[in-house]
Amino acid sequence: GAVVSQHPSRVICKSGTSVKIECRSLDFQATTMFWYRQFPKKSLMLMATSNEGSKATYEQGVEKDKFLINHASLTLSTLTVTSAHPEDSSFYICSATTYLTNNEQFFGPGTRLTVL
Amino acid sequence: LAKTTQPISMDSYEGQEVNITCSHNNIATNDYITWYQQFPSQGPRFIIQGYKTKVTNEVASLFIPADRKSSTLSLPRVSLSDTAVYYCLVGDSNDYKLSFGAGTTVTVRA
Repeated sequence: GAVVSQHPSRVICKSGTSVKIECRSLDFQATTMFWYRQFPKKSLMLMATSNEGSKATYEQGVEKDKFLINHASLTLSTLTVTSAHPEDSSFYICSATTYLTNNEQFFGPGTRLTVL
Repeated sequence: LAKTTQPISMDSYEGQEVNITCSHNNIATNDYITWYQQFPSQGPRFIIQGYKTKVTNEVASLFIPADRKSSTLSLPRVSLSDTAVYYCLVGDSNDYKLSFGAGTTVTVRA
């Protein structure tokens, strides 16, 4: 089946630093990748939609200058949390999809970000 | 994207059947119904998808009445490892975006 990986799985950083999270589709080429954020005991919130080679589309209320998304290839998307603050601490999940799988989204295992 | 409503939580015991009903009164003609499962600190996992009537796979069954304004996910003979949050989503297969509601926390006890 389609596998999506994320790296790192867990990261702790100091306030003010930037953190990069990678999302890779391991055995398929993803036409679109998505980034979600999930706070404890809450549902997933879509942050942005990313298509290879084009600018990401951000959901309302998500700061594009703070959450930089780069989708350099059909198998890799990165999310950079710039100048992280404690309120950015959350569980970040990516997903990938392709029209070849009837647009089913395959989710990564998530990245736990803790900002001190 | 059609809004969905599902119970916040459900408790069950091992070996029982668990049925979770999701309401989606504003479902559109092109919308499919998809259910995901999420364990703590993991990404969601696809369980089942359907358009109408009944769909069954090795994990669950999905019952959709003729008016499609609701759907029921049925988990047969649950085990402790089925304790998770279950999300019902409704959307057009041509629309990649998924909108997650609050989900249903299913707790299976021994």
